[in-house]
Amino acid sequence: GDSVTQMEGPVTLSEEAFLTINCTYTATGYPSLFWYVQYPGEGLQLLLKATKADDKGSNKGFEATYRKETTSFHLEKGSVQVSDSAVYFCALSSYSSASKIIFGSGTRLSIRP
Amino acid sequence: GAVVSQHPSWVICKSGTSVKIECRSLDFQATTMFWYRQFPKQSLMLMATSNEGSKATYEQGVEKDKFLINHASLTLSTLTVTSAHPEDSSFYICSARDGGGREGTDTQYFGPGTRLTVL
Repeated sequence: GDSVTQMEGPVTLSEEAFLTINCTYTATGYPSLFWYVQYPGEGLQLLLKATKADDKGSNKGFEATYRKETTSFHLEKGSVQVSDSAVYFCALSSYSSASKIIFGSGTRLSIRP
Repeated sequence: GAVVSQHPSWVICKSGTSVKIECRSLDFQATTMFWYRQFPKQSLMLMATSNEGSKATYEQGVEKDKFLINHASLTLSTLTVTSAHPEDSSFYICSARDGGGREGTDTQYFGPGTRLTVL
């Protein structure tokens, strides 16, 4: 079945460092890919998405490109801030998963001032 | 953007009582809503899919008599935890799907979650 694998955390970086959180997926067909962010004590917020190969999703300085050849959707940000500290979930949705969202395990990110 | 609300945001109840959690899509109609459960420091576990006007579809291992789901309108779904016990304490999150159902275009919007503590 469909699945998402993302790098384990926690990830700890200094402010203004470059961030990459790796995500790869397995799916039948052409899934939509998402990154969600969960701040402490809150629900999930959609950070960005991409619906077809080579699409780049971007929001709040974060970017991720849908790479079908490597089945990846890595999240990147050039300069992180303390306020980016949160848990990040990579996810997919496709017809083969009955349009359910399949989540990765989540990566906890902590940014030091 | 699309907004999904949940009520209450937190609830504490005694063991054996029932608790109802509401999930509303505020600015769009959601024919499908989803209920998730999240344990501390873990990912979301899909409990059930709620379709407006029909019975919910539960994931394997989720007790349908324990977690009653009603999706009475295009903007409201409710989850009732019946005869709650301490092991039901968790963070419950709903989501609503906004999209035409075409492959690759559905997006789910999540509520802020409800923290349930059963004493």
